[in-house]
Amino acid sequence: DAGITQSPRHKVTETGTPVTLRCHQTENHRYMYWYRQDPGHGLRLIHYSYGVKDTDKGEVSDGYSVSRSKTEDFLLTLESATSSQTSVYFCAISGEGMNTEAFFGQGTRLTVV
Amino acid sequence: GNSVTQMEGPVTLSEEAFLTINCTYTATGYPSLFWYVQYPGEGLQLLLKATKADDKGSNKGFEATYRKETTSFHLEKGSVQVSDSAVYFCAPRGGATNKLIFGTGTLLAVQP
Repeated sequence: DAGITQSPRHKVTETGTPVTLRCHQTENHRYMYWYRQDPGHGLRLIHYSYGVKDTDKGEVSDGYSVSRSKTEDFLLTLESATSSQTSVYFCAISGEGMNTEAFFGQGTRLTVV
Repeated sequence: GNSVTQMEGPVTLSEEAFLTINCTYTATGYPSLFWYVQYPGEGLQLLLKATKADDKGSNKGFEATYRKETTSFHLEKGSVQVSDSAVYFCAPRGGATNKLIFGTGTLLAVQP
């Protein structure tokens, strides 16, 4: 199995509080992605990274920020959590080249109350 | 950028039935095409892929053929099992972007 770990796996937080989710990889892959998964919406890209300090927005980036200060870690921050950000969040990693597959973490279930 | 359209689910089949899940994509250039599967409570994992036109990807009895002329990559299986119950995602990768975009996914439920 690809070495990718998400933490925490479950979190309940209050509206208005900041939350940071962590994705850690041991594969030295260049690309890292954050998605959210909601019923009826499939998997939607929030942000992605193509190298240390290199990030770009996805389809649903409002209310989220990311940072990648080293190859192995990609952090997703909800600056001020809202109930609409209740979701399951997945991190993925992939290597160079469009023929390479992506590997996914186990997901983080976030509930904002 | 890339985009993908999958058939709406859920798809409910009896065991040993034939499965087709349609997928069409838009992309600049010539992307590679992937099918991923998500079992309950897990992250996505690769099911199969095809990297150029007319290539057929296959795995675990599933097949899909890269059809450039119709920009499609339909997933098929001749005889489904209860253990195939999962959500299936089609994803193009490449062309002008490194973003990895997925469709809405198709839920397959196989009944004994």
